[in-house]
Amino acid sequence: GAGVSQSPSNKVTEKGKDVELRCDPISGHTALYWYRQSLGQGLEFLIYFQGNSAPDKSGLPSDRFSAERTGGSVSTLTIQRTQQEDSAVYLCASSLLREGADTQYFGPGTRLTVL
Amino acid sequence: QKEVEQDPGPLSVPEGAIVSLNCTYSNSAFQYFMWYRQYSRKGPELLMYTYSSGNKEDGRFTAQVDKSSKYISLFIRDSQPSDSATYLCAMSEGSNYQLIWGAGTKLIIKP
Repeated sequence: GAGVSQSPSNKVTEKGKDVELRCDPISGHTALYWYRQSLGQGLEFLIYFQGNSAPDKSGLPSDRFSAERTGGSVSTLTIQRTQQEDSAVYLCASSLLREGADTQYFGPGTRLTVL
Repeated sequence: QKEVEQDPGPLSVPEGAIVSLNCTYSNSAFQYFMWYRQYSRKGPELLMYTYSSGNKEDGRFTAQVDKSSKYISLFIRDSQPSDSATYLCAMSEGSNYQLIWGAGTKLIIKP
């Protein structure tokens, strides 16, 4: 079946502009994650959605970052007033969150460059 | 100190060699251990999943967990150039807990 998809694959923007990144999770997956990965670095957790529960926003680096998940499916990560340090790959993952650990399936990421 | 430590490399070995990738951790409550492989400009993909201590083998890959030492390893036998990627370890206390990620080790297999 279809995997996690993300759009756009690349985004170049000017400092101070707002950007929206989209994630389409695997159908039926109840959990959705956003991560940020800077060059040569590991995954930095940003936000987590699980079903109808309140999202875990503990990883958002500032109030310029926000995310929503509509209808328990598609999610949008919004970065307002982008800064150069926001340049990174933004990865989305989804999972079924069964018993045991959480096997996450990742999209290809959106590469954001802030000039 | 990070909860999960992983040497970023790069680790460069000749084709056919046995590769050993490792992570150490500090949280003794971790029970679930995973290895993800990430090719350049792609998202990570799950490679191996183990629960508690012991070994798990899948083809050329073996995952090993030593909870007493808080140390996990991934071994790759007969390494191939197509194994060149970044390998990330991840671990969790259980289904209600976040995955905690290592920084990833960049592996280069030279033909």
